[in-house]
Amino acid sequence: DGGITQSPKYLFRKEGQNVTLSCEQNLNHDAMYWYRQDPGQGLRLIYYSQIVNDFQKGDIAEGYSVSREKKESFPLTVTSAQKNPTAFYLCASSRYQRDRRDGYTFGSGTRLTVV
Amino acid sequence: GNSVTQMEGPVTLSEEAFLTINCTYTATGYPSLFWYVQYPGEGLQLLLKATKADDKGSNKGFEATYRKETTSFHLEKGSVQVSDSAVYFCALSQNTGNQFYFGTGTSLTVIP
Repeated sequence: DGGITQSPKYLFRKEGQNVTLSCEQNLNHDAMYWYRQDPGQGLRLIYYSQIVNDFQKGDIAEGYSVSREKKESFPLTVTSAQKNPTAFYLCASSRYQRDRRDGYTFGSGTRLTVV
Repeated sequence: GNSVTQMEGPVTLSEEAFLTINCTYTATGYPSLFWYVQYPGEGLQLLLKATKADDKGSNKGFEATYRKETTSFHLEKGSVQVSDSAVYFCALSQNTGNQFYFGTGTSLTVIP
């Protein structure tokens, strides 16, 4: 079955470390997204990519970086510059030239905790 | 601009009670509207959608009607179950650009 795989499910980061969250999809979707979820704040867009080798900042990109070298993969790096990285991170995908009636497909998330 | 406003939670209901979660939106033109559900520790799953005015989306006993005159897309279920306990997100999508606009989510707990 097609879907989005995020790994790991739980991740612990020490102060000053960079960590990378994996997101892989086999839906042949062009566009991919990273969201951050904090309690009571809903979803906030970090980065998105509409095609390979191109990506755009979302609303809260500071302290994060991404790459899009392959259509299937959109890893997110949480750098040491991100001062409050503890959160639940969600990856999503959609067709680029999509029918606006399409929804997003989401992964099951990665919970990052600073220790 | 585009935005979605949901009722504040948390919502606690007894099993078999009637559920309404309010959602209103601000948008130009004719967006598509969605409800997503998030079970504990999981990602978001599409629950239902409606793509034009007066459309009704339905799934698993949940319903929502796209009301352009009141810019609303309220989620309803006639008889909730303990397994419906989750966080529910209302969202909209415009026909240009490639972003969704999410509400802040409403947490629902159903007690036996």
